[in-house]
Amino acid sequence: DGGITQSPKYLFRKEGQNVTLSCEQNLNHDAMYWYRQDPGQGLRLIYYSQIVNDFQKGDIAEGYSVSREKKESFPLTVTSAQKNPTAFYLCASSTKKEGVGYEQYFGPGTRLTVT
Amino acid sequence: EDKVVQSPLSLVVHEGDTVTLNCSYEVTNFRSLLWYKQEKKAPTFLFMLTSSGIEKKSGRLSSILDKKELFSILNITATQTGDSAIYLCAGYGGATNKLIFGTGTLLAVQP
Repeated sequence: DGGITQSPKYLFRKEGQNVTLSCEQNLNHDAMYWYRQDPGQGLRLIYYSQIVNDFQKGDIAEGYSVSREKKESFPLTVTSAQKNPTAFYLCASSTKKEGVGYEQYFGPGTRLTVT
Repeated sequence: EDKVVQSPLSLVVHEGDTVTLNCSYEVTNFRSLLWYKQEKKAPTFLFMLTSSGIEKKSGRLSSILDKKELFSILNITATQTGDSAIYLCAGYGGATNKLIFGTGTLLAVQP
């Protein structure tokens, strides 16, 4: 089965703790993305990576960090510096196509609650 | 600043109704517009539109793009309760060629 997996589905943390969200894909996609979804705000891009060992900040990167050591994996760390970390986090991947655009495939998401 | 605006924000209809969801965009270096359906978790891809005036159709869903007026619509005919979801619109483009998402339209179809 090809697809994107995210784990865990639900995550609870205390304020001040760093937490890492997992994202793995076996679609052989070059590009991977992390989005945050809050009620009424749609999807906002946190970080993206178009190739192994390289990544770029999205619109709301502050308080987050990522790594891309393998093509299949793009973990996201929510650090204690992120002011409002409670949200639904979605990982996506796509083929690296230039031109008119491309479809992004999404994982099932991780709902993070920080208290 | 690049932006995508969807309307209405939410909509309640009865089974069998036809609905039209709107998406307007201001995206520099615009390449395409994508529609996704999000039920509980992962958004699933519906359509990608690149050319004006050419309708894309899949069953009861159809969509069209107007690149002159900078908007797209998603039509759903003979709605069913299974159509209840958040419908997301995204423009591809911008300075760094990425997807810019709207806030979504929450559709609720009542039996």
